[in-house]
Amino acid sequence: GDSVTQMEGPVTLSEEAFLTINCTYTATGYPSLFWYVQYPGEGLQLLLKATKADDKGSNKGFEATYRKETTSFHLEKGSVQVSDSAVYFCALSAWGAQKLVFGQGTRLTINP
Amino acid sequence: EAGVVQSPRYKIIEKKQPVAFWCNPISGHNTLYWYLQNLGQGPELLIRYENEEAVDDSQLPKDRFSAERLKGVDSTLKIQPAELGDSAVYLCASSPAGLGGDTQYFGPGTRLTVL
Repeated sequence: GDSVTQMEGPVTLSEEAFLTINCTYTATGYPSLFWYVQYPGEGLQLLLKATKADDKGSNKGFEATYRKETTSFHLEKGSVQVSDSAVYFCALSAWGAQKLVFGQGTRLTINP
Repeated sequence: EAGVVQSPRYKIIEKKQPVAFWCNPISGHNTLYWYLQNLGQGPELLIRYENEEAVDDSQLPKDRFSAERLKGVDSTLKIQPAELGDSAVYLCASSPAGLGGDTQYFGPGTRLTVL
C-alpha cells in the first residue's frame, strides 16, 4: 500500500540555520504530495503542496520539490526562525483516493 | 472564513464509558474526514464522508466506533465503550469538491484521555 517515510526526529537547530527534512514515498500512480505543520496545541495546517512531478511548492520561506525519479519531497528552508518550531508531517494523496497518508512526523526545535 | 470547528477540545473519561466528538466543517465543503492521531505518529483515516454518505469506513473499528453526518454538514464520532488504547487525538478535516479537493483543512482536534 501507499506509505510515507520521514526523517526521524527530533531535529534541533540554531536560528538562521539551513533546514532539510527528508521525505520519501511509495505509491502507485501519481500522488499529490503535501507538507503539513502542527504548532503546539493547534491542528494541522497545510504548509505547501505539489501535484505533479518537478512541481515546487513554497510558502513562508519553505520549499519542497516533487521528485518522481527519487520518490522524494524533501522540505527545505534557508534560514529558520524560533517561530518555525513545530511538528512537520509529510503526506500523500493517491490520485482519486481523497485520503491522506501521513508520515510519522518530525519535531523541529529552533533555539535562539 | 471560519475553519473546521471541533468540540470538546479535551475529554477525560473512565474506561467502558461512552464518548462523543462533534465536528462542523468549513461551509460548503462536502467531504468530511475523521482521523485518529496517536502520540508521536501521523494521523490515520478512520472514515470519510461525501455529503451524508460514508464512502470509506474500512479503518473504523465498527465494534465500538460509530459515526454519522446527518444532513451532510455536521458530524459526530462516537466510541462506546471506550478502552484505554483509545487515548489519542481525534481530528476532523474537510475539503471542497472539484478543483482543490485534494487539500484537506483540519480542525484543532479533540484530545481524549481514557483512565
